[in-house]
Amino acid sequence: DAKTTQPTSMDCAEGRAANLPCNHSTISGNEYVYWYRQIHSQGPQYIIHGLKNNETNEMASLIITEDRKSSTLILPHATLRDTAVYYCIVRFGSGTYKYIFGTGTRLKVLA
Amino acid sequence: DVKVTQSSRYLVKRTGEKVFLECVQDMDHENMFWYRQDPGLGLRLIYFSYDVKMKEKGDIPEGYSVSREKKERFSLILESASTNQTSMYLCASSFTGGRSTDTQYFGPGTRLTVL
Repeated sequence: DAKTTQPTSMDCAEGRAANLPCNHSTISGNEYVYWYRQIHSQGPQYIIHGLKNNETNEMASLIITEDRKSSTLILPHATLRDTAVYYCIVRFGSGTYKYIFGTGTRLKVLA
Repeated sequence: DVKVTQSSRYLVKRTGEKVFLECVQDMDHENMFWYRQDPGLGLRLIYFSYDVKMKEKGDIPEGYSVSREKKERFSLILESASTNQTSMYLCASSFTGGRSTDTQYFGPGTRLTVL
């Protein structure tokens, strides 16, 4: 089962791009990479997911390396409201529905 | 937008009480999940359901039961609340099939305190 490794914490200046890395070196071919975030005392919020190609939506961009062993979530213009814990998750194999949330990266956006 | 609602944001109960946590989703999702979240332990799956009246145990089902009588509603029951069940409880739902397989959408959470 693929596991993920993320830095414990990061700071980013308001208005700048926040680049959050994730390592998932044991990911298998049919597993997706998902990103969620959790603002203090709220439920996790879905951000984006991808398989092989880079993805972009209104919230963020997801860059997946060609070998799929790592990815980067990009918040193009971070705001104070983006301060949260960001979780990188790999779909837990086939036949089950469970996600495994690790400890995530605590992003602090500074004014 | 997908909306998952939970019956209470904060709940305080006494040891031994029977506790009901309700979750409702409005997107006709087949799958629904109950997790608990504790500091340093991340999210842990308690139970999930992939259809009405169907349920599967997650990693930590002991002390809990669930009920899914209608597709949109999934209830978590603490038969006899104990202090070690003090936690944040999160409900999620997902659709099965297509590119969005397994994208889970979470409710706001219920912070339960058992005294």
